[in-house]
Amino acid sequence: DSGVTQTPKHLITATGQRVTLRCSPRSGDLSVYWYQQSLDQGLQFLIQYYNGEERAKGNILERFSAQQFPDLHSELNLSSLELGDSALYFCASSVGGTSGTEWYQETQYFGPGTRLLVL
Amino acid sequence: GQQVMQIPQYQHVQEGEDFTTYCNSSTTLSNIQWYKQRPGGHPVFLIQLVKSGEVKKQKRLTFQFGEAKKNSSLHITATQTTDVGTYFCGPYQGGKLIFGQGTELSVKP
Repeated sequence: DSGVTQTPKHLITATGQRVTLRCSPRSGDLSVYWYQQSLDQGLQFLIQYYNGEERAKGNILERFSAQQFPDLHSELNLSSLELGDSALYFCASSVGGTSGTEWYQETQYFGPGTRLLVL
Repeated sequence: GQQVMQIPQYQHVQEGEDFTTYCNSSTTLSNIQWYKQRPGGHPVFLIQLVKSGEVKKQKRLTFQFGEAKKNSSLHITATQTTDVGTYFCGPYQGGKLIFGQGTELSVKP
């Protein structure tokens, strides 16, 4: 058990719908990361938040958005869902730290994931 | 953008055989991290390499970072069925962990 929790575990929805995935980081971790894992694209970094602020962005679609709340939990919102959005969505957390303009190279602890199926 | 290539994509071995997966980049990396994902599970951090030529061992696992910091390898000696899973590598840069496609290892008992 990594200490990172994600809900729901499974989600089945229809095209065009909107869903929200939730992540609670490990106690004390300030950084939250979101990843998408699909069969054809592998494990893709989407976005990172540090202490409530967006810090890094990856291949995240405009239909997707995320935020990190004052209690440090994070939500990933997926809207106008398409069949191709079906995937496993992982959240990870790390302590989060900076050294000038460089981030510490930190261990990330992954949650169990949310499996999204768009029909 | 930053890309790493992992080879092979799949590897099937007999229990007891050795296994190696390679992680290659066209650009110099500041670091490389390795993760393991068991079937149906989530990625779990294994190790991070930072120095040129660095070699680190974890029991039967040996991790190496190339002298030019453009490639890395993971070698497992005498594989066991518990080694089954997908091994991912990638640099952590600018707040992003950029994974390669992974090497899926299956072990036949």
